[in-house]
Amino acid sequence: NAGVTQTPKFRILKIGQSMTLQCAQDMNHNYMYWYRQDPGMGLKLIYYSVGAGITDKGEVPNGYNVSRSTTEDFPLRLELAAPSQTSVYFCASSRTGVYSYNEQFFGPGTRLTVL
Amino acid sequence: KQEVTQIPAALSVPEGENLVLNCSFTDSAIYNLQWFRQDPGKGLTSLLLIQSSQREQTSGRLNASLDKSSGRSTLYIAASQPGDSATYLCAVPNNAGNMLTFGGGTRLMVKP
Repeated sequence: NAGVTQTPKFRILKIGQSMTLQCAQDMNHNYMYWYRQDPGMGLKLIYYSVGAGITDKGEVPNGYNVSRSTTEDFPLRLELAAPSQTSVYFCASSRTGVYSYNEQFFGPGTRLTVL
Repeated sequence: KQEVTQIPAALSVPEGENLVLNCSFTDSAIYNLQWFRQDPGKGLTSLLLIQSSQREQTSGRLNASLDKSSGRSTLYIAASQPGDSATYLCAVPNNAGNMLTFGGGTRLMVKP
């Protein structure tokens, strides 16, 4: 199993540009998550999904959009990139939700810089 | 709103020392608590998950304890090694059960 994969690993955007961060998992997990991590800070949840076709906002959703058309993929879209979106983005998945005994598996992250 | 705090933010110890990392949370009505390890430039790896009904969990040289009433958890690392150098984060589910709230992490360096 590849686990959770993310592309690209690094990206530099200009202010106002758009891009999609890709995330895929091959563990047949229902739950998928997008987090951002700013320097010296913990992770903050952007969006999450409990299954194909179902998404919901997390703690910091403004400026982002997601879709979940398949169980495997959970892309994160940035529209009109801003310097405040400079961060490291992590995708994660789990078989069930946070109240269960199932751990979350994390991808390696995408380091995004907006100039 | 649940808040999770980890102190210290950074810790440097000589190899072989036993050490304790601290995690505190403001709302004691948690369902579980997870400890993660993050290597530089990498994602997070789950180390231990403690259910609210448990007092501690052990994995190798790691032992995590949970005291819900005081809103605290500790991660004990025995006989530390340079390979233990990483950032350690703790996280708890929020009240709605739809997300994890993370602490800011403790960056550990174990010197040979």
